[in-house]
Amino acid sequence: DIQMTQSPSSLSASVGDRVTITCRASQGITNYLAWFQQKPGKAPKSLIYAASSLQSGVPSKFSGSGSGTDFTLTISSLQPEDFATYYCQQYNSHPYTFGQGTKLEIK
Amino acid sequence: EVQLVQSGAEVKKPGESLKISCKGSGYSFPNYWIAWVRQMPGEGLEWMGIIFPADSDTRYSPSFQGQVTISVDKSISTAYLQWSTLKASDTAMYFCARSSTSDFWGQGTLVTVSS
Repeated sequence: DIQMTQSPSSLSASVGDRVTITCRASQGITNYLAWFQQKPGKAPKSLIYAASSLQSGVPSKFSGSGSGTDFTLTISSLQPEDFATYYCQQYNSHPYTFGQGTKLEIK
Repeated sequence: EVQLVQSGAEVKKPGESLKISCKGSGYSFPNYWIAWVRQMPGEGLEWMGIIFPADSDTRYSPSFQGQVTISVDKSISTAYLQWSTLKASDTAMYFCARSSTSDFWGQGTLVTVSS
């Protein structure tokens, strides 16, 4: 199985800040990488697929980059609704696997 | 509008069987993979497996192979996740999601297994 490692596991930031979350795959996955946002008690929401393509309706403050084994999710100008847990997932090969999550909290 | 609607919360006893569902609408159901994802209380997301409704091609995570069965009835646009013998450790929220990129998600089904 491909292991996905996110860092940091938790992150404190202020409204208006720009933050970056990283995701590393244990082997190359080209660009088969997705990012999700999950708020407490809710289903995850798809933000990005193919490492850098924004899902329809997702604001451009979210951006993704990377290929191979190293990927990043950047959120600019944080707003209160952005504080949530973020997950990466590889879909290069079965079984698809998630990172352990990054909890973004208000400072 | 693409929607995945899951069946309601379940409370079961250890040893019982269970089948939960995920009904798709607003798109061509047979042509998109449906994945199942587990989230145990306070924990992260775990990918369980995936099925392609058009031909029922199914892949499981080794962690869940033999523990659950994923199936589909494309005539009613519904995917299923079932257990033959529930354990307390199966207590979790279960989500279905469309496609390999999981672009749309169901609302989740909470399964509680307790004696």
